Amino acid sequence: EAQVTQNPRYLITVTGKKLTVTCSQNMNHEYMSWYRQDPGLGLRQIYYSMNVEVTDKGDVPEGYKVSRKEKRNFPLILESPSPNQTSLYFCASSLGNPGLAGVGIQYFGAGTRLSVL
Amino acid sequence: RKEVEQDPGPFNVPEGATVAFNCTYSNSASQSFFWYRQDCRKEPKLLMSVYSSGNEDGRFTAQLNRASQYISLLIRDSKLSDSATYLCVVDNFNKFYFGSGTKLNVKP
Repeated sequence: EAQVTQNPRYLITVTGKKLTVTCSQNMNHEYMSWYRQDPGLGLRQIYYSMNVEVTDKGDVPEGYKVSRKEKRNFPLILESPSPNQTSLYFCASSLGNPGLAGVGIQYFGAGTRLSVL
Repeated sequence: RKEVEQDPGPFNVPEGATVAFNCTYSNSASQSFFWYRQDCRKEPKLLMSVYSSGNEDGRFTAQLNRASQYISLLIRDSKLSDSATYLCVVDNFNKFYFGSGTKLNVKP
């Protein structure tokens, strides 16, 4: 079954304790992305990756790191989480360049609810 | 100014009604446009993509007006199962921008 898998689904942590949210896709997609969703603000892109070892900042990258060592995996790292990073996080993947017809359709993971106390 | 703006609603309509949402975007160089559906803080799922002037899929029609920089979504013969939040998404050179969503409630 084609899917994007995020783990964990729920996480409560404390300020300053490093954490990693994993994301894996089994569709051989080139493009992967992380978003956060906050009430009234919609989804905002944190980082994206066009392919292995190619990553770039989205709209709200501050406080986050990513890596793309393998095509299928795109972990999100919070080196020193703060309460303002409490949010619902989504990972997504698409076949390729979002601007190309047909290949920019994104498939989302089920989401990770993060609370930073 | 936000990249993508949508009326948050909610739109409360009876079953069988026709309802339309609009979405405006600020970057005239935007290349591709999408409507996603999101149920109650679950993951967004693609409803329609719009690469040229418009697209139609059953009861759903999306229109793109590049001159006025807006995208619309028309839902005909609304079903109870159409109740959800509809997200407008715009691609600007490999970055995606989401509207905050329009909530639709279809009532019996």
